[in-house]
Amino acid sequence: GNSVTQMEGPVTLSEEAFLTINCTYTATGYPSLFWYVQYPGEGLQLLLKATKADDKGSNKGFEATYRKETTSFHLEKGSVQVSDSAVYFCALSERNTGFQKLVFGTGTRLLVSP
Amino acid sequence: GAGVSQSPRYKVAKRGQDVALRCDPISGHVSLFWYQQALGQGPEFLTYFQNEAQLDKSGLPSDRFFAERPEGSVSTLKIQRTQQEDSAVYLCASSLGGGASYNEQFFGPGTRLTVL
Repeated sequence: GNSVTQMEGPVTLSEEAFLTINCTYTATGYPSLFWYVQYPGEGLQLLLKATKADDKGSNKGFEATYRKETTSFHLEKGSVQVSDSAVYFCALSERNTGFQKLVFGTGTRLLVSP
Repeated sequence: GAGVSQSPRYKVAKRGQDVALRCDPISGHVSLFWYQQALGQGPEFLTYFQNEAQLDKSGLPSDRFFAERPEGSVSTLKIQRTQQEDSAVYLCASSLGGGASYNEQFFGPGTRLTVL
């Protein structure tokens, strides 16, 4: 079946450091790819998405490029802030009869210190 | 409210008790999903509703789990005779459209269930 693998955390960085969180996927067909973020005490929020190969999703300084040849969707940010501390989930949409469901990775906790 | 709401936010149950978890989706949203998130894991799909119709329940872990959405709005996830392995955060999500095209899913804050 379809699956998502992302790097284990926690990832610990100092403010203004460069961030990469790796994500690879296994899927039949051409799924859409997502990054969700979960801040402490809050629900999952969509951070960015890409719906086809070579698309780049971006939001709040984060970006990720849909790489079909390497089945990857790595999350990057040039300069992290303390407020970026959260758990980040990579996900793909799996098309079923009549609807699409999300398949998530296990999540990567990011801790940013001042 | 503007977002998806869930209640209760926290639930502690003794093993063997029945529990009911409620989800209020965004008004007018056709699709509703339930996911289960075990500690340290990503959410896993449980079931999907399009309006009042339950189109997929393949992710429900056992016949002790039951979900309904009788009027196509509020949904309830019921777990009978709870077991310790049921301890998890249960997430509800809704999306505006139905069908096979992509529709963004909006998530509620979840209900954290602890079974003692």
